[in-house]
This record gives sequence, C-alpha cells and structure tokens, in this order.
Amino acid sequence: AQSVAQPEDQVNVAEGNPLTVKCTYSVSGNPYLFWYVQYPNRGLQFLLKYITGDNLVKGSYGFEAEFNKSQTSFHLKKPSALVSDSALYFCALHTTGRRALTFGSGTRLQVQP
Amino acid sequence: GAVVSQHPSWVICKSGTSVKIECRSLDFQATTMFWYRQFPKQSLMLMATSNEGSKATYEQGVEKDKFLINHASLTLSTLTVTSAHPEDSSFYICSAQAGSGRQETQYFGPGTRLLVL
Repeated sequence: AQSVAQPEDQVNVAEGNPLTVKCTYSVSGNPYLFWYVQYPNRGLQFLLKYITGDNLVKGSYGFEAEFNKSQTSFHLKKPSALVSDSALYFCALHTTGRRALTFGSGTRLQVQP
Repeated sequence: GAVVSQHPSWVICKSGTSVKIECRSLDFQATTMFWYRQFPKQSLMLMATSNEGSKATYEQGVEKDKFLINHASLTLSTLTVTSAHPEDSSFYICSAQAGSGRQETQYFGPGTRLLVL
C-alpha cells in the first residue's frame, strides 16, 4: 500500500523568511509526487510535480520541492514567504499502477506579516 | 490551460432527494476523471475513478448505487448523490487527468459543497 505523511498540521513563518512544508512517502516502485495548494472553500491548485530527473523541481508562485529518494521525502520550499501563501498544502503521489492520487493529511501554512 | 469547472458550487437539498454535480474539463479532453470527498479539516478521500465510456471504479466502502457516476464524454463527468441524507453533506471535488505517461497531471475543480437538511 502507498501512503503520504505530512507530519506538521501547521507551519508558522514570518513574511520574508524561508518556508518548508514536509512530506514523506511510502510506495512500491517509483512515485510520481505532487504538491497542491487549497484556499478556503476552493478546489486544489497544482503547484509542481516530480516525475524523474532533476531532484529539485520548480513550480508555480516561486515554490520548489526537493525529491530525496534515500529519505523518501519531497519537501516543499520557498525562499521568501508571502502573506498570500497562507493556505492548506497537500502532498500527493501516484504510481504507474494506481493513477488516482493518494493524499497526505495536509499542512496549514500561516505566514505572519 | 487545464481548467476544470464544477457545477453547482454549492447546493442545499432536503433529505431523500437526489443531487447531480457536474465536472467539466474546459480546455482539454480527459478520459479519466476522479471524484473525491473532503470532510472539514481533513484530506481528500478518493471515492471513484470515472472512465469515459465505461463503468466507474469505486473505492472500497463507497456505495455505487448511492453515488452514481456517468462519464459520457471526454469533457464531462457527473456525480449523482441519490436519496441524499445529512451524512452525505460534504465538499465534493472532482479532478480531470491531463496528459499521458510521465506528463500526467490531475487538475482539480473548485469543489461543490453539499448540505443535506
């Protein structure tokens, strides 16, 4: 069975500081890893994905994520947080054998002015 | 590009009635769409995989006779909640799969909030 863990329910960071939202995964085979962001009462917006290749993936709104196979992690990062980044972030994965996404529990990011 | 719409965005209905939710891929064709359910402050739980022209594949524990899914075209999937009850109240989100192979990415609709009285 495959699973995604987001160990932090909430991350607080001051505006302008770097942010990291953690994600680890467990899967048989090679994962396709994704980050999505959800604003209140809205659907999910795609941020970035890792399929293969370069371990550092750049995505929308200045976000990036680093794939670490040995640590089975895919942490989301941004060099300088904005108040408007405050939202709920989901890490997800699928494999070639199961195309539906398996989601982590979500991490609420709060950026303080 | 890769825009997915859902209609309605919210609906209130009486217990025992049926509610249909539409999911459309606006600028791409999607042979596969997915329906998720999200409870407050929780993650998304997959309900079913909707395949164009064939029967949907339901996750364990999801009643296929209660949650009817139809994927009649490459841009439209519908979810009908039949004989709705208060416990069916939730946020329903669809996604449509764009691309193929390594380019596969799911794009999500804005969600439909259902309240059953």
